[in-house]
Amino acid sequence: GAVVSQHPSRVICKSGTSVKIECRSLDFQATTMFWYRQFPKQSLMLMATSNEGSKATYEQGVEKDKFLINHASLTLSTLTVTSAHPEDSSFYICSAPFREGLDLNEQFFGPGTRLTVL
Amino acid sequence: AQSVTQLGSHVSVSEGALVLLRCNYSSSVPPYLFWYVQYPNQGLQLLLKYTTGATLVKGINGFEAEFKKSETSFHLTKPSAHMSDAAEYFCAVSRNTGTASKLTFGTGTRLQVTL
Repeated sequence: GAVVSQHPSRVICKSGTSVKIECRSLDFQATTMFWYRQFPKQSLMLMATSNEGSKATYEQGVEKDKFLINHASLTLSTLTVTSAHPEDSSFYICSAPFREGLDLNEQFFGPGTRLTVL
Repeated sequence: AQSVTQLGSHVSVSEGALVLLRCNYSSSVPPYLFWYVQYPNQGLQLLLKYTTGATLVKGINGFEAEFKKSETSFHLTKPSAHMSDAAEYFCAVSRNTGTASKLTFGTGTRLQVTL
């Protein structure tokens, strides 16, 4: 199967700073990637769709100026949490769809990034 | 619009007992259905998926699920639970819109396996 990596796996930062999280498709190209946020003991909430070569599409209620997404290449998408505050502390997960044979709809998930804002 | 309902946020079974995790979906178009497992502080791993064809789907680690259109259900089962099955399980639905499609997740069910 396809592999998606995230870096860093864990980050602690001070309130007011910005944090960048990387999502990479290691052995395939992904023109689209998805960013999710997961609060403790809750489900994944889709934040935005990252599109290579164009602007990201944000879900309703997600601040685009707060969560900057850049899809720099066919294997890399970055999520930058700007001016982070404690309420931004969460588990951030990315995913990328991979077409294997006729399977059009399988997504592969990164291992997640635990963000703690002090 | 699509939605997923997972009945039971927490399920506890004894080792060796049957595992049954319930999932019902709502979709205006033929759905693609998935079950994912998540271990603590990790991403999601695909257990199995239903796209088209056979309605009984077998996945990894001995899990299987049956797509029942009449009941709009996609329950996950395993005949005999192992301690290593303890994790969070998510049911998800998506539309067939090509190679990239958003997933809508259920709220998850935490499976506890006891001795």
